Amino acid sequence: AQRVTQPEKLLSVFKGAPVELKCNYSYSGSPELFWYVQYSRQRLQLLLRHISRESIKGFTADLNKGETSFHLKKPFAQEEDSAMYYCALPALSGYNKLIFGAGTRLAVHP
Amino acid sequence: EAGVTQFPSHSVIEKGQTVTLRCDPISGHDNLYWYRRVMGKEIKFLLHFVKESKQDESGMPNNRFLAERTGGTYSTLKVQPAELEDSGVYFCASSRGSNIQYFGAGTRLSVL
Repeated sequence: AQRVTQPEKLLSVFKGAPVELKCNYSYSGSPELFWYVQYSRQRLQLLLRHISRESIKGFTADLNKGETSFHLKKPFAQEEDSAMYYCALPALSGYNKLIFGAGTRLAVHP
Repeated sequence: EAGVTQFPSHSVIEKGQTVTLRCDPISGHDNLYWYRRVMGKEIKFLLHFVKESKQDESGMPNNRFLAERTGGTYSTLKVQPAELEDSGVYFCASSRGSNIQYFGAGTRLSVL
């Protein structure tokens, strides 16, 4: 069965510290993976997708097929990074529906 | 461009009452999706419209939930009668074809 696992409900760091939000998946075939972010009282928005291999707001994520992981990283966290982060992939069946993890709340303290 | 808009942002109702959530997708997006996040759990798919037709409603929990998209523009999701376990955040998303899904801010539903 397809599944996305985000093991940490809350990640609390100080400003300037490195951040790694974990995401593991189970999937048959080559998945397309996404990170979505929701800042307080804003829309849930796409942060990055692995096929684009770009860095957004200093965040990067590398797909590791051997470890079935797609961890989100940033070398120096900023207070404005505080938000809810969700890892997701498209279901194998079902016309583009997304399968999400439970989310990780990142809290960056001054 | 304007994003996906959901209304209301928060709704508090009593068990047994009816609530209707509304989603306005991005103009020109034929695909519209509803998802739900129950407290502490993952965001789960509810259903998918292509224009006014239901393409996939495999995630709808039971027949107390009714989604419509008359005219293929905005969509409503009605819960009647609401139960305590329906509490959560309801997200709407839209996309053009099979491209990226753009989400709204969600409607937080609290059933007391």
